[in-house]
Amino acid sequence: AQRVTQPEKLLSVFKGAPVELKCNYSYSGSPELFWYVQYSRQRLQLLLRHISRESIKGFTADLNKGETSFHLKKPFAQEEDSAMYYCALTPSNAGGTSYGKLTFGQGTILTVHP
Amino acid sequence: GAVVSQHPSRVICKSGTSVKIECRSLDFQATTMFWYRQFPKKSLMLMATSNEGSKATYEQGVEKDKFLINHASLTLSTLTVTSAHPEDSSFYICSASWRGSYNEQFFGPGTRLTVL
Repeated sequence: AQRVTQPEKLLSVFKGAPVELKCNYSYSGSPELFWYVQYSRQRLQLLLRHISRESIKGFTADLNKGETSFHLKKPFAQEEDSAMYYCALTPSNAGGTSYGKLTFGQGTILTVHP
Repeated sequence: GAVVSQHPSRVICKSGTSVKIECRSLDFQATTMFWYRQFPKKSLMLMATSNEGSKATYEQGVEKDKFLINHASLTLSTLTVTSAHPEDSSFYICSASWRGSYNEQFFGPGTRLTVL
């Protein structure tokens, strides 16, 4: 079974400071990792996924298979980054009833102060 | 594109009654829909996965007779909470995907259920 751990429930930084949201996972196979974001009063939406290797809104995340981590980073946080962030995992190339099933971490509430 | 809607957005019901929540994919055909429960400031708990035209697959600990899921078409899935109790009060969220979305799920806005 897979598991995703986000050790920080709350994270506060000041505007312009670097931010790193931690995510560790456990899964015996080859995972696909995602970061989803939920802004206040909005629905959950995809921020980025490791296979695309894109930088979205200045955020990046690198999959480190050795450390089983997928930390989310941004060099200069902005106030509009304040939101709940979820790390999620799905088995890649899974078939049958496991296809596309996401396992979410507990979430980290990021607050960026002015 | 890839918009998912949920109806109603908020519902209050009496204990013992049943409540139906609809999840629709508005601009794509969802081969798979997922139902989650979200507790305040906590993670999303997957309740079940539903594939169009087949029975839903429930996660361990989720009562299938209490949470009835129907995915009758490629754009609609329904979750019926039967004989609701106050402890069923929660935020229910659906999401949808299709094989071409490469495991990305598109989420609905959620439904706040309050059972009195």
